[in-house]
Amino acid sequence: DTAVSQTPKYLVTQMGNDKSIKCEQNLGHDTMYWYKQDSKKFLKIMFSYNNKELIINETVPNRFSPKSPDKAHLNLHINSLELGDSAVYFCASSPGGVNNSPLHFGNGTRLTVT
Amino acid sequence: GNSVTQMEGPVTLSEEAFLTINCTYTATGYPSLFWYVQYPGEGLQLLLKATKADDKGSNKGFEATYRKETTSFHLEKGSVQVSDSAVYFCALSDKKEGAQKLVFGQGTRLTINP
Repeated sequence: DTAVSQTPKYLVTQMGNDKSIKCEQNLGHDTMYWYKQDSKKFLKIMFSYNNKELIINETVPNRFSPKSPDKAHLNLHINSLELGDSAVYFCASSPGGVNNSPLHFGNGTRLTVT
Repeated sequence: GNSVTQMEGPVTLSEEAFLTINCTYTATGYPSLFWYVQYPGEGLQLLLKATKADDKGSNKGFEATYRKETTSFHLEKGSVQVSDSAVYFCALSDKKEGAQKLVFGQGTRLTINP
């Protein structure tokens, strides 16, 4: 009955490859997010979708493309992976529309690019 | 832009010690403020929040008060336990229609020794 689930938990790949991370939430939330946590634990928002519509798109390389087939899913596709993409990627969701509702985070996907 | 600055870690304390983790913010307007906690290998969980000046958020013995005059939201606990060992993140909510854009501090790693 995991609320926000991400797959895979670990992803090791070589530079230049293309990979995807999947995220699903069963909370009925309208808004989903992707955050990146670097090696120093610093967290930064990448994208947010509300009801399948992109509403936050921070300064992220075009190699990163989020896709939301429905409001319960937000996948992250990364093209031409680079060493600097190594990080932990967290998916999250929230009810949306209210700025003090807590975000519910998944357990993260640790991406290692070699 | 909005930003959050947290006390540098790591912080190491003995069980039953008093804990303070400092957090200050820079923001236009009056954002909501949050403390999130990340246990090893897990995603972030909301610990407490405050939505307006002088509000006190509290949970599991932790407290933080929204101080507008000092732009601070320091986290305190009177008597810490080994199970409190985790990384703590202070965050503010940057308003965005349909979503909650959280701006995080750099995180403070807390280790409690028995």
